[in-house]
Amino acid sequence: KQEVTQIPAALSVPEGENLVLNCSFTDSAIYNLQWFRQDPGKGLTSLLLIQSSQREQTSGRLNASLDKSSGRSTLYIAASQPGDSATYLCAVRPQGGGFKTIFGAGTRLFVKA
Amino acid sequence: SQTIHQWPATLVQPVGSPLSLECTVEGTSNPNLYWYRQAAGRGLQLLFYSVGIGQISSEVPQNLSASRPQDRQFILSSKKLLLSDSGFYLCAWRDYSGAEQYFGPGTRLTVT
Repeated sequence: KQEVTQIPAALSVPEGENLVLNCSFTDSAIYNLQWFRQDPGKGLTSLLLIQSSQREQTSGRLNASLDKSSGRSTLYIAASQPGDSATYLCAVRPQGGGFKTIFGAGTRLFVKA
Repeated sequence: SQTIHQWPATLVQPVGSPLSLECTVEGTSNPNLYWYRQAAGRGLQLLFYSVGIGQISSEVPQNLSASRPQDRQFILSSKKLLLSDSGFYLCAWRDYSGAEQYFGPGTRLTVT
């Protein structure tokens, strides 16, 4: 059974710092991995999608990597800003799981001005 | 471009009352549709998903049900709400190619 874990559960950093959020999954048989951002009381916003054949994806100050063999993904945020404060969730779509997605519990990020 | 709508945005209902939450998607055809629940301080729990009209898969046994009367409409219902049904309900869609998933703005349900 696929399980997704995100560490740390919460993180507080000063503005301008580069930071890494971690996501691990127990079964390497996945179609893709997706990173989301969720602001309080809002829906999820898709940040990056990495297909199983890809190693990384970049969008602006965000870079997500995927190491399928070790069951790990990282989300790198460069030069963090207070507006980056949110909860970040990773989700995997497992092979053989139909169209289901398995989510981690998220990392709550607070960037201090 | 594609858009996903959910309503109502917030809802306060007494225990034992019925529930109907609606989700519609615009700008795509034959999407896969999902209902998730997010309890306070917890992760997303998949409740139902649908790959086509009238096709519903249930992930968690509970007093909720889902229906898909039209290609881009997904409805979450209950005949009698429980206190434990309180939470943030999110609808999502994924196109038929099965790649990226997109979420609606959510409905905050409080059962009193």
